[in-house]
Amino acid sequence: GENVEQHPSTLSVQEGDSAVIKCTYSDSASNYFPWYKQELGKGPQLIIDIRSNVGEKKDQRIAVTLNKTAKHFSLHITETQPEDSAVYFCAAGDQTGANNLFFGTGTRLTVIP
Amino acid sequence: NAGVTQTPKFQVLKTGQSMTLQCAQDMNHNSMYWYRQDPGMGLRLIYYSASEGTTDKGEVPNGYNVSRLNKREFSLRLESAAPSQTSVYFCASTTGGPVETQYFGPGTRLLVL
Repeated sequence: GENVEQHPSTLSVQEGDSAVIKCTYSDSASNYFPWYKQELGKGPQLIIDIRSNVGEKKDQRIAVTLNKTAKHFSLHITETQPEDSAVYFCAAGDQTGANNLFFGTGTRLTVIP
Repeated sequence: NAGVTQTPKFQVLKTGQSMTLQCAQDMNHNSMYWYRQDPGMGLRLIYYSASEGTTDKGEVPNGYNVSRLNKREFSLRLESAAPSQTSVYFCASTTGGPVETQYFGPGTRLLVL
């Protein structure tokens, strides 16, 4: 099955700096890569996703890049704010099959005011 | 529109006791999922239901059973709880399959003594 690795496990940045979280996956059939944000005491919430037909997607301060050859994808948050502090999960899945989503182990991001 | 709701929020069980975790969604979604979240292990799929009347095993199904009661409700049952089942359990739903936006509930924190 799919194996998704996520790094780093914790990340601290100063407010206004950028944060980058990286994930690798093992199954070349995976073609859907979402990122979820989990705030304390809540369930994960989708913040952005990318499908394999594009290499980059941006939504305001958040962007995701995908390198299918190297089997890795990254989340970039620019101009970080204290409310960005949360745990972020990457995931990988195959749209064409019945496969489910496989999640990374999470990154705890702390934005220091 | 409450989205995905879960009950209870928190539960303490003794080894060998049984309990049912309840999940309901009001978004008319076809597919529903149960995950467990453990420190350092991300989210792992226990069972899912692609549509009313169907259920399938996920990555970690041992020790659990599920029932898709109707389109709205998907319950998870622990017949004989073990300390290894101490975890936070999340229910999620999607319109169609797993490789689209998953909407998560707030979670149930379970402690098995």
